[in-house]
Amino acid sequence: QQPVQSPQAVILREGEDAVINCSSSKALYSVHWYRQKHGEAPVFLMILLKGGEQKGHEKISASFNEKKQQSSLYLTASQLSYSGTYFCGTEAEAGNQFYFGTGTSLTVIP
Amino acid sequence: DAGVIQSPRHEVTEMGQEVTLRCKPISGHNSLFWYRQTMMRGLELLIYFNNNVPIDDSGMPEDRFSAKMPNASFSTLKIQPSEPRDSAVYFCASSLLRVRGGEQYFGPGTRLTVT
Repeated sequence: QQPVQSPQAVILREGEDAVINCSSSKALYSVHWYRQKHGEAPVFLMILLKGGEQKGHEKISASFNEKKQQSSLYLTASQLSYSGTYFCGTEAEAGNQFYFGTGTSLTVIP
Repeated sequence: DAGVIQSPRHEVTEMGQEVTLRCKPISGHNSLFWYRQTMMRGLELLIYFNNNVPIDDSGMPEDRFSAKMPNASFSTLKIQPSEPRDSAVYFCASSLLRVRGGEQYFGPGTRLTVT
């Protein structure tokens, strides 16, 4: 029931783009995205509700394909501050459970 | 706003001892979540409350774990007796809404080490 993220890890140079994918086996109501820096708590980035909407947050945006139960997080023109572990969180259409994904470690180097 | 407050920030205890973790959610938030994070299992939702009522505790690993929320501004997670495999970072988070559609604000976490 835990959503699967890919890739597990990625290293970028400043200015490069990255895509992080999140896939669930359940029909989803919503997908959340969080970023966690080493030794800190996760920080909310955005929520996407079913309907396939895309959201943006500065140079970070995301899409949600409810038919495929997938979401993707897009980071463009990456900055050093983007480094961290990115987690998706999913709420199924049925039931109350909320699951965080397996996490994607992103490292941006100069 | 002070954000979500957790105490203690670090706890070291011996196997068999009782451990109590505390959380104060953001004022006005009506949902509260307890998570456990380990390298092996990642971020796991243990239990969440809505309006002080436990809604889903299916993530609580076993009877040694219990959680309470006696009022809107305080919650505890208790482990009795503690075991080395309980070592982890425990996060508390709060939200204005139920899990559905509500962004969660995390506390700084409690790092628990059971020897």
